[in-house]
Amino acid sequence: EDQVTQSPEALRLQEGESSSLNCSYTVSGLRGLFWYRQDPGKGPEFLFTLYSAGEEKEKERLKATLTKKESFLHITAPKPEDSATYLCAVHYDRGSTLGRLYFGRGTQLTVWP
Amino acid sequence: KAGVTQTPRYLIKTRGQQVTLSCSPISGHRSVSWYQQTPGQGLQFLFEYFSETQRNKGNFPGRFSGRQFSNSRSEMNVSTLELGDSALYLCASSLEGQGYSPLHFGNGTRLTVT
Repeated sequence: EDQVTQSPEALRLQEGESSSLNCSYTVSGLRGLFWYRQDPGKGPEFLFTLYSAGEEKEKERLKATLTKKESFLHITAPKPEDSATYLCAVHYDRGSTLGRLYFGRGTQLTVWP
Repeated sequence: KAGVTQTPRYLIKTRGQQVTLSCSPISGHRSVSWYQQTPGQGLQFLFEYFSETQRNKGNFPGRFSGRQFSNSRSEMNVSTLELGDSALYLCASSLEGQGYSPLHFGNGTRLTVT
């Protein structure tokens, strides 16, 4: 079964219309939750790492938060250049090293002018 | 600082052939991981190398193999290619083999098997 589920699969926003992307996880022993952005034809670009419930990280129009079961990526007043697929991944205890992340399927965000 | 470099960017191969993909990590990064990305399965972990040793391996058949050199550069090989191997192959490097250093990805090699 999927350890990481992202919703919605796709999201269309008008420029300036704030929203949130969701990443829920079922793993235990979470050691880190990662957000990435992926543009077409490119590899994922690292955005944030969250380690414990209650933690928040911000970068420009993006803010990531973490609870015990899920993470949210809040996008405030998005611009067309924020259009991309946003990926969530977890690293958890399973005798696993950091190089092995479990990814969700992503949310494809489109921001139109 | 240069990012993760993967070569070639595109490959077209025929079923039954084999292929080698190359990855140069960020300078100073000793851990290299490989992932396969397909529309149907998303990003799936292949294997991870640290100091020339395979530290972790995903659930892929033995046709998929890799190695890491003393300069941390890595290669992955797929033998006896199948149509289902068509995918974007991504390499990622991190500063440490363990701990909370994030993975930094290259732009991948797009493999098409015909």
